[in-house]
Amino acid sequence: GAGVSQTPSNKVTEKGKYVELRCDPISGHTALYWYRQSLGQGPEFLIYFQGTGAADDSGLPNDRFFAVRPEGSVSTLKIQRTERGDSAVYLCASSSQREASYEQYFGPGTRLTVT
Amino acid sequence: KQEVTQIPAALSVPEGENLVLNCSFTDSAIYNLQWFRQDPGKGLTSLLLIQSSQREQTSGRLNASLDKSSGRSTLYIAASQPGDSATYLCAVNNQGGKLIFGQGTELSVKP
Repeated sequence: GAGVSQTPSNKVTEKGKYVELRCDPISGHTALYWYRQSLGQGPEFLIYFQGTGAADDSGLPNDRFFAVRPEGSVSTLKIQRTERGDSAVYLCASSSQREASYEQYFGPGTRLTVT
Repeated sequence: KQEVTQIPAALSVPEGENLVLNCSFTDSAIYNLQWFRQDPGKGLTSLLLIQSSQREQTSGRLNASLDKSSGRSTLYIAASQPGDSATYLCAVNNQGGKLIFGQGTELSVKP
């Protein structure tokens, strides 16, 4: 079936604005992950959902960042009062907990630029 | 705290050469290890996944090995091609949850 999709692919916003980034996981995948990748670095973990609940949110940098997954499928990452340091590529991944491998499949990412 | 390191940061080789990319991790209690490929401006493509109980995995010209006790993994690419040029990322999964990534190795294969 279809892979992980993310919208928008690019988002430019002004400092101080609010943004929402969307992730559609692979159908049937119960686990969903958000990562952030700065230029020249490997992705860094933000938050992980198992179903509708956040199983691990230890990577969220501060309380301006929040994520939801109300029906256990689509997830939205929300960033309030954006700062220039939030500029990065935000990656989403999903995995099937029925697969013992827990292999994660990634979407194309959303490039966020805060001016 | 798990830390993942990849050496070298960048590598340039002539077409046809066999090459090895290295990944090391500090906590050997891993669940699995994944190797990814990332093309410029794109997302991550999973290449190989090695479970903690496995020693290696192969896919085409790629072979990944895992030595948990020493905290090392290698990705071997045989007969490299210009199309292999990309950044290669190693990531470990400690508990079936989040991945911890290395910084990546940027590979350039010259025709």
